[in-house]
Amino acid sequence: GESVGLHLPTLSVQEGDNSIINCAYSNSASDYFIWYKQESGKGPQFIIDIRSNMDKRQGQRVTVLLNKTVKHLSLQIAATQPGDSAVYFCAENLRAGNMLTFGGGTRLMVKP
Amino acid sequence: ETGVTQTPRHLVMGMTNKKSLKCEQHLGHNAMYWYKQSAKKPLELMFVYNFKEQTENNSVPSRFSPECPNSSHLFLHLHTLQPEDSALYLCASSQDSGATEAFFGQGTRLTVV
Repeated sequence: GESVGLHLPTLSVQEGDNSIINCAYSNSASDYFIWYKQESGKGPQFIIDIRSNMDKRQGQRVTVLLNKTVKHLSLQIAATQPGDSAVYFCAENLRAGNMLTFGGGTRLMVKP
Repeated sequence: ETGVTQTPRHLVMGMTNKKSLKCEQHLGHNAMYWYKQSAKKPLELMFVYNFKEQTENNSVPSRFSPECPNSSHLFLHLHTLQPEDSALYLCASSQDSGATEAFFGQGTRLTVV
């Protein structure tokens, strides 16, 4: 499941620190925004989503922030662990189109 | 395990070959998808099936032919592919095509020689 060869922005953090992964989207009509995690050798895995009428949503160790003014989405991971190392994709779902559109991804590397 | 199983995991085929990728889910989902993940582009949606009916074809060349015999199975038939078609092909399913949480299989790594 790795994006081999694709030039991805990389975020390197120390274990225990907080991570912030950013994403810009283009379609102001998108209804939902979603974060996926893809570990090496696996398919993408759903992390958390947020509806367009919200600006913040919290999960277990993760928080998603949505700024519709500047079309920006971020994923915050608290107390980052080695198991968080993966490629993170944001996706948007235009309900009228009923399909997910994925962004380019960010590689998170956690240093022990 | 996500409940979505893809076979084979790896496939090498010549440009004149015909092969098929298989995807199976037993999650009771009604929507199934094919995505392409290549070295040059991020995840690209190829096809969407909702209740066995194709609802999206994202301008995919005809050398890729999907088939959805029932809500649990999805195939991608391949013929006369090009080397640039080499990629990871991911299958996903969701409750319906409007759902935000899609469950992905581990993918089939396809190499066209």
